[in-house]
Amino acid sequence: GQNIDQPTEMTATEGAIVQINCTYQTSGFNGLFWYQQHAGEAPTFLSYNVLDGLEEKGRFSSFLSRSKGYSYLLLKELQMKDSASYLCAVHSGNTGKLIFGQGTTLQVKP
Amino acid sequence: DSGVTQTPKHLITATGQRVTLRCSPRSGDLSVYWYQQSLDQGLQFLIQYYNGEERAKGNILERFSAQQFPDLHSELNLSSLELGDSALYFCASSVKGGGANTGELFFGEGSRLTVL
Repeated sequence: GQNIDQPTEMTATEGAIVQINCTYQTSGFNGLFWYQQHAGEAPTFLSYNVLDGLEEKGRFSSFLSRSKGYSYLLLKELQMKDSASYLCAVHSGNTGKLIFGQGTTLQVKP
Repeated sequence: DSGVTQTPKHLITATGQRVTLRCSPRSGDLSVYWYQQSLDQGLQFLIQYYNGEERAKGNILERFSAQQFPDLHSELNLSSLELGDSALYFCASSVKGGGANTGELFFGEGSRLTVL
């Protein structure tokens, strides 16, 4: 089967750093994606990891350990607009589809 | 703007009815994916088409069907609607149909279906 786990909710303070974890068990692995989704809006692409290690992109970084089936998304210098759901998704087969976790709702407080 | 266009944006209908949701992928993208997102639920994969052919199927109900046309736009047909079908339906597209380096999916704004 395929299973992707993320915390349901997290709260952090404006200006702080937050780490959102994701663990996965999938049949096959072709990469892990992080998407951001504001309520009622389309998911937008944040990052992609296919090899182990850290990918940095501005205030956002994503880490992958394939042997542990583990990834995290690191958000620095949090802003109020970062309040959203963060979706971890795995590309596991040869078809292109992404399997999504339930998402982590992040609330940034002043 | 992702370049993926979905219509209608909102749809309200009654139980037992049938609706069609439409998606136009980004220019040049050959793959179209349909996802369902119910309240407080994650994105559930329904079905994928690549260059007109069905490529992958998820937990799509038998009451639902889809197709991709020669101009690459896709339609998702939902019939015998039930209250539980109320959800956001997202379409996404990608250049490739699968394999390594398929790349990210680009999502449309979604069609919000309310079944009363």
